[in-house]
Amino acid sequence: AQKITQTQPGMFVQEKEAVTLDCTYDTSDPSYGLFWYKQPSSGEMIFLIYQGSYDQQNATEGRYSLNFQKARKSANLVISASQLGDSAMYFCAMREDNAGNNRKLIWGLGTSLAVNP
Amino acid sequence: GAVVSQHPSWVICKSGTSVKIECRSLDFQATTMFWYRQFPKQSLMLMATSNEGSKATYEQGVEKDKFLINHASLTLSTLTVTSAHPEDSSFYICSASGSGTPKYSPLHFGNGTRLTVT
Repeated sequence: AQKITQTQPGMFVQEKEAVTLDCTYDTSDPSYGLFWYKQPSSGEMIFLIYQGSYDQQNATEGRYSLNFQKARKSANLVISASQLGDSAMYFCAMREDNAGNNRKLIWGLGTSLAVNP
Repeated sequence: GAVVSQHPSWVICKSGTSVKIECRSLDFQATTMFWYRQFPKQSLMLMATSNEGSKATYEQGVEKDKFLINHASLTLSTLTVTSAHPEDSSFYICSASGSGTPKYSPLHFGNGTRLTVT
């Protein structure tokens, strides 16, 4: 069963507007972490934001915020004031802390975001 | 922040030859390295996990003899694609984590290697 689901293969947003990229997850481990990475066309993986399962507040990093709804098992990424440079693939990933798996990440299929001028 | 250097960035080789890709942690000791393969417009596919000084653990369906992984030191892991064929053409990317790294710390990625086998 897929553990990380990103249902939006592609998204478009107008420059300066906000956009939400969806991510739902499935785990029975009470302790886990959720990550968002950005991958521009050049290929490098850029870490954006982290949310721990026990964190009381939603994570924020500059223009990035994570809408964490634990009961719904969703961890949506919100990008505010979109910029042309935000055009990239975005991946949601999860690490189950008690799986003894060397910090292995489980990846979603990604969402391709295009920012229109 | 922690830096992972991956070389080469791109390589073109002839079918039947072997290609070695290096992944180095520049400012931390990488106790665990992950090697991924990525096809165009797809997600990362984990190939193997290696811990320093021990044999790599390969994911199901990944040929151990085809993709040789060595993690002989705390700063270097290598992936060798042996007897490469055109179907091995892909984007390969490594990531690393160190011992004692907090669980909220992200993995550190190399910039990837684009392999083209002709």
